[in-house]
Amino acid sequence: QSALTQPASVSGSPGQSITISCTGTSSDVGSSNLVSWYQQYPGKAPKLMIYEVTKRPSGVSNRFSGSKSGNTASLTISGLQAEDEADYYCCSYTGFSTFIFGGGTKLTVL
Amino acid sequence: EVQLLESGGGLVQPGGSLRLSCAASGFTFSSFGMSWVRQAPGKGLEWVSIISGNSGSTDFADSVKGRFAISRDNSKNTLYLEMNSLRAEDTAVYFCAKEGGFCSGGSCSGFVAFDIWGQGTMVTVSS
Repeated sequence: QSALTQPASVSGSPGQSITISCTGTSSDVGSSNLVSWYQQYPGKAPKLMIYEVTKRPSGVSNRFSGSKSGNTASLTISGLQAEDEADYYCCSYTGFSTFIFGGGTKLTVL
Repeated sequence: EVQLLESGGGLVQPGGSLRLSCAASGFTFSSFGMSWVRQAPGKGLEWVSIISGNSGSTDFADSVKGRFAISRDNSKNTLYLEMNSLRAEDTAVYFCAKEGGFCSGGSCSGFVAFDIWGQGTMVTVSS
């Protein structure tokens, strides 16, 4: 099964909003609300930012939000800050006790 | 403090074997499923394997099915990944990750995501 499709890179200026898309199929993203998003700095472990499409774990800034329409999930970061510059990965449960990640998106804060 | 600490990585020849460990602390280990996720150098994340809290169910990515085995020892709060018939394409940082959720007042609730990650251990398959 191929990775979920994410843009390789996105960029934005401080204070702006950006959205990262994550496109799958009716067998993964489109089949449930079990999509999560992870932030990863170079050389570090990933950090959970969004789960079940829209939910934020305790401690994650409310500048991060998630949504889904059909086979595409999205992560929106509002009020962009320099510290948001990182790689972002989406992940979907496939319904057979397996998971699939997106290819990752490098966010650059200009 | 909730923590996961991987160990066991290293350099191994193609066709060889390696066993990774992941020591957990700060949470009720037996109440949560655990996964292994890997990341090849300069590449994205790839889910590898999952095991339920009571070891009753396991699953694997197609890329490792039949070569890797996952297990856990809840008495030692430790997760394992036994890797056999290793190939160059298995070269990656291997992370262990906890199923999302928390325990409170003796009951636990979970969600489908990975909420705690270890720092990773590097596996290099090369002659």
